[in-house]
Formats: sequence, structure tokens, C-alpha cells
Amino acid sequence: KAGVTQTPRYLIKTRGQQVTLSCSPISGHRSVSWYQQTPGQGLQFLFEYFSETQRNKGNFPGRFSGRQFSNSRSEMNVSTLELGDSALYLCASSLLSGVSTDTQYFGPGTRLTVL
Amino acid sequence: AQSVTQLGSHVSVSEGALVLLRCNYSSSVPPYLFWYVQYPNQGLQLLLKYTSAATLVKGINGFEAEFKKSETSFHLTKPSAHMSDAAEYFCAVSDTSGFQKLVFGTGTRLLVSP
Repeated sequence: KAGVTQTPRYLIKTRGQQVTLSCSPISGHRSVSWYQQTPGQGLQFLFEYFSETQRNKGNFPGRFSGRQFSNSRSEMNVSTLELGDSALYLCASSLLSGVSTDTQYFGPGTRLTVL
Repeated sequence: AQSVTQLGSHVSVSEGALVLLRCNYSSSVPPYLFWYVQYPNQGLQLLLKYTSAATLVKGINGFEAEFKKSETSFHLTKPSAHMSDAAEYFCAVSDTSGFQKLVFGTGTRLLVSP
């Protein structure tokens, strides 16, 4: 079974631009969560989508948004990029939502660099 | 709110030595705990998870962890380190608010010397 895939793997943008990252979950998984990883803040939860609905959102500004499609694929968007948005963005999929024991499987991440 | 604390941002061991990576949790309810490993330029790979079925949990690559409620700990161990174990390790607790959210520790980088 194929794992979680994320595209693109690397992105370079300039301040003020916007960016869209894509995540395809494991087949059959319906929940997709996004995390931001930076050296200073570590791994932080961005949001979770299940059945095309955002179920939970972390403490990030409104410039960070996302959506999920009927096939469970998800995209996240960051508008008006700032230097501090440079990070590794990780997507994770799980079979269900709201099940604390359900394992989240992570993709390889998208490395975003903002210049 | 649940949280985890990883003691030691870096741990150095010699090949063949015992690996011990520490994780303490803070939770008002029985926690569900996970250990993930991250190799350079890669995502997170699940090593093992505790879901209250057994206090000693065996994972992949020879790793195991023991849940100790009295010590609020979930330390990760491996009897004999291998060069390929060099990576960053994250302890995480599952949010019990009804959403798929993991709260991660700050990570421990394991260095293995020959």
C-alpha cells in the first residue's frame, strides 16, 4: 500500500507570495492532519480535515488555510508569506478522526523556504 | 492539556551500547503515547505506540518502551545501538479532545559513534 505522498518536496518563495501544498493520504484514510516543523518551535499542529470538513485548528494565523477533497486528498495554503513561514510542512493521514489510538502516518514533507 | 517532555536534546552512544531516550508525559487522563523517528530530510516514522493494552511495548528496529504511570514516563530503549539508529526521535501524546492531533516533545537527536 502506498504511503502518504506530498508535493512538491521543495519550494522557494519570496515574501508576500502565496503557496499551495498538496497531500495524498494512504488509500482508505479519511483524516488528514498538517503540522509545521521548525528548529525554534518544533512540531506544531496546524489543522485536521475529515470528510472535507476542518475539525480542528492549531494556533496559527488566518493566512494558513486548507481544504480536503472528496477523495480525501488535502491542500494547505499560506498567503502573504513571511520569512518565519520557512519550515518543513508535514502531512499525516489516519483511518478515522477522533480516535486517540489511531496511528497517524506521515508523509516526507514539503520544505518551504521563504526569501 | 496533554504535554510531553523529552530530556536531553542530544544523546551520544557508541555502537553496541544501550540506547535510552527519555520522555515524561503530563496528562489528566490516561494518555496514548507514541514514539516517532525522523531521518534527515524525511518525514516521521512510527516506532511504537502505547494504547493501554500492555505497559511494555515493542516496536520496530529492536526498540521498546515501557509505560510507567507512577513515574509518568514512557522512555524508549534499545539494547544495542546501530549506526543506522542515528536520527531524531520524538515522543508524542495524542490529544483526547476528539480530534486527530498529536502533541510532540522537542525531540532528541541520537548520535551513534563507531
